Amino acid sequence: NAGVTQTPKFQVLKTGQSMTLQCAQDMNHNSMYWYRQDPGMGLRLIYYSASEGTTDKGEVPNGYNVSRLNKREFSLRLESAAPSQTSVYFCASSEAMQPTGKLFFGSGTQLSVL
Amino acid sequence: QQQVKQSPQSLIVQKGGIPIINCAYENTAFDYFPWYQQFPGKGPALLIAIRPDVSEKKEGRFTISFNKSAKQFSLHIMDSQPGDSATYFCAASWSGSRLTFGEGTQLTVNP
Repeated sequence: NAGVTQTPKFQVLKTGQSMTLQCAQDMNHNSMYWYRQDPGMGLRLIYYSASEGTTDKGEVPNGYNVSRLNKREFSLRLESAAPSQTSVYFCASSEAMQPTGKLFFGSGTQLSVL
Repeated sequence: QQQVKQSPQSLIVQKGGIPIINCAYENTAFDYFPWYQQFPGKGPALLIAIRPDVSEKKEGRFTISFNKSAKQFSLHIMDSQPGDSATYFCAASWSGSRLTFGEGTQLTVNP
């Protein structure tokens, strides 16, 4: 069982370039999330999708867009990358949008913006 | 603003020691407190969780202690092993809200 799969694992962008981070889960989960992890700042929620067809902003949504393509897939797009978006990005899923629901994380995408 | 403050930022112990990681929260509505463990190059994974109706929860060598009046909770790792070396995140939420994570603690257990 693959769980949550993220691609790519590593990416280097130049300032102003765009890219899409892909995420897919095979656990039939309803809710999916995008987090960024920066040293000393923990995990900060960028966007989430409580269920197929819905998306909402998290703590740090500026500079990002998301698409819940179907129940399995949730992508994160950087339209014009900035050095401040250098970070490790994690996709996660949970059975439902309940705070006690266990989050399952992917292995992350390490993004550098030069 | 919902916040969870975690300390220390990093911690080094010898094998067999008992590292303790502390978290403090502000929102008294929080009613679920999980800890996530993250190994290098991997995503975080749920380790153990507690609700405020109990003061302590043990799962194997991992224990959460909860102090509702002080709005603090902590993770203790008994008989720590080098394989426990990882980053640990506390988190909190209340019904209807999303998880708020602490800043993380990088634990190193030396052989």
